Amino acid sequence: QSVLTQPPSVSAAPGEKVTISCSGSSSNIGNQWVSWYQQLPGAAPKLLIYENNKRASGIPDRFSGSKSGTSATLGITGLQTGDEADYYCGTWDGSLTAGVFGGGTKLTVL
Amino acid sequence: QLQLQESGPGLVKPSETLSLTCTVSGGSIITSDYYWDWLRQPPGKGLEWIGSVDHSGNTWYNPSLKSRVTMSVDTSKKQFSLNLSSVTAADTAVYFCARHPLYFNIDVWGRGTTVTVSS
Repeated sequence: QSVLTQPPSVSAAPGEKVTISCSGSSSNIGNQWVSWYQQLPGAAPKLLIYENNKRASGIPDRFSGSKSGTSATLGITGLQTGDEADYYCGTWDGSLTAGVFGGGTKLTVL
Repeated sequence: QLQLQESGPGLVKPSETLSLTCTVSGGSIITSDYYWDWLRQPPGKGLEWIGSVDHSGNTWYNPSLKSRVTMSVDTSKKQFSLNLSSVTAADTAVYFCARHPLYFNIDVWGRGTTVTVSS
């Protein structure tokens, strides 16, 4: 059971837009910066978004992040087959004093 | 560009201690700007933060693993290490070493190393 809640899967067609939600609480998302990671099959995760909405180095502007209250959202526009991956949200939990992640969302580009 | 490389046994027996080392290259391990992390990912499952250590040896551990985890840093070798005691099959996972700045945004990851717990 992950501290942060993500949908297990999302899907969309090439060229379309998709959003992935991440729900938490006041002890984590509500009072901390949120980051997003992309994990391609067999690879290590890669930082996409940090501090809620800043793109990491080399990440195209098709990827965006936002936060409202105790929830965060990753948006991906102009979907490409190469975007098929698992996506994770992460943050620090001040009550647990621990790094926490969502369970991951598998993106399928149909 | 800073790179991280995990090393250690790929097979550990139940009840024994899992020991991994992460070697830092292309940058300094002695920095107050970053923390050094261990994370893991069981087969087919999500990411789990194990803990962090800074260059002075201060540590922060996941409460769920705290009783079994020890992390340390050796600045002379540009390495940091993970010991996880009393392992069971549930500790079978890909183990990643990583780095994060002041806020918990993990910006550099190692490739990961698979550790299997089995007799």
